[in-house]
Amino acid sequence: KQEVTQIPAALSVPEGENLVLNCSFTDSAIYNLQWFRQDPGKGLTSLLLIQSSQREQTSGRLNASLDKSSGRSTLYIAASQPGDSATYLCAVPLSGTYKYIFGTGTRLKVLA
Amino acid sequence: DGGITQSPKYLFRKEGQNVTLSCEQNLNHDAMYWYRQDPGQGLRLIYYSQIVNDFQKGDIAEGYSVSREKKESFPLTVTSAQKNPTAFYLCASSMRQGNDQPQHFGDGTRLSIL
Repeated sequence: KQEVTQIPAALSVPEGENLVLNCSFTDSAIYNLQWFRQDPGKGLTSLLLIQSSQREQTSGRLNASLDKSSGRSTLYIAASQPGDSATYLCAVPLSGTYKYIFGTGTRLKVLA
Repeated sequence: DGGITQSPKYLFRKEGQNVTLSCEQNLNHDAMYWYRQDPGQGLRLIYYSQIVNDFQKGDIAEGYSVSREKKESFPLTVTSAQKNPTAFYLCASSMRQGNDQPQHFGDGTRLSIL
C-alpha cells in the first residue's frame, strides 16, 4: 500500500533563507511525483511534476528532486519570501491506476 | 483564461438534504476528479471520470454520487446518506487519464452542516 509522508508538518523561517521540504513514499514503483502549493481556503496549484525518468525539475526559485530508490523527493526553495507562505503538498499516483495519493502537507511560514 | 470553476464557494446543508456541488472546466481535459479534504488529512479521492458518461468510485464514494454528461462538467451530489459531509471539496482535471499529466484544481467548495 502506497503511503506518502511529509515532514515537518509545519516550518517557520526568516525571509531570505533557503529551505528544503521533504516527501517520502513507500512504494518506489511510481510514474511521477507532483508538488503542489495550497493557500488558505484555496485549491491546489501545481508547482512541479517530475517524471520517474527524471531526477529533478526546476521552476524559478523552486527545484524538486526525485530519488525513487530511496522513496524520497525534496522541494528546494531558494531565497524564501513572505509570499511563499502556504501549505506544500506532494502526491504520487498509485501504480497502474488513476488515483493520486497525497501527503498531508508542510505548512510553511516565511517571516518578513 | 482556461481553468476550473467550482461553485458555490460555501454551501450549507440541512439534515436529510441532498446538495450538489458544481465543477466546470474549459481546459478540454478528458479526466476529472473529486477530492475531499479534512483538517490534518491529505486529499481523499471520492470519484473520478475518464470520459463522458463514465466514472469510477474512489476510496470514499459512499454517500456521494456524480454524473458526467458533458466533457466540461462533473457535478458532485452529497446525499443524506453521507453522515459527516462537513469538509472542503476539491475538483480537479487532467489532460488525459494517466500518470504523466499534471492535475489542475479548482478553488474548492466548503460544505457545512446547519
